[in-house]
Amino acid sequence: QSVLTQPPSASGTPGQRVTISCSGSSSNIGSNTVNWYQQLPGTAPKLLIYSNNQRPSGVPDRFSGSKSGTSASLAISGLQSEDEADYYCAAWDDSLNGSVVFGGGTKLTVL
Amino acid sequence: QVQLVQSGAEVKKPGASVKVSCKASGYTFTSYGISWVRQAPGQGLEWMGWISAYNGNTNYAQKLQGRVTMTTDTSTSTAYMELRSLRSDDTAVYYCARVAAAGTGAFDIWGQGTMVTVSS
Repeated sequence: QSVLTQPPSASGTPGQRVTISCSGSSSNIGSNTVNWYQQLPGTAPKLLIYSNNQRPSGVPDRFSGSKSGTSASLAISGLQSEDEADYYCAAWDDSLNGSVVFGGGTKLTVL
Repeated sequence: QVQLVQSGAEVKKPGASVKVSCKASGYTFTSYGISWVRQAPGQGLEWMGWISAYNGNTNYAQKLQGRVTMTTDTSTSTAYMELRSLRSDDTAVYYCARVAAAGTGAFDIWGQGTMVTVSS
């Protein structure tokens, strides 16, 4: 059971816009920034969004992030076949000594 | 280029220990922390802990306290993760990742992963 809650799956057709949600609590998303990772099959995760809505160099602006209260969202516009991957949200959690918590992951299928 | 290169796959028996290495290059090693994240087959990501490459301070996931030790060797820009008393549910791909900013969960560079299989 993951601390952050994501839908297990999402899908869309090429060119469509899809969103993936991530729900947490006051000790994680509610008081800290959210990051998103993309994991293509058989590869290491890649940082996609950091600090809620910032894109690292090289990440297309089709990917965007937002946060409100204890929830966050990743939006992908102009969906492409190469976007088919697992997506994870992550945040710092202030409980105990502090730790990083992940969502369970969302498998995005491009139909 | 900036990269983290991990050691090769391991097969261990239950109760044994494993030590995975993560060699950094292309940046000043002591300027960033290193986190370790594991992924069991078909499962999601699990944070294991963090070590400061500057002063060796550590913060381990509560679930692994007492079984995991993270260290660094600044002379070779290498981070290590040792896990003891291995169980079958420790079978996973283990990743090291550079911490972009402490206390945020933002990891900007990842190693290629090391498969650790625990089986009798």
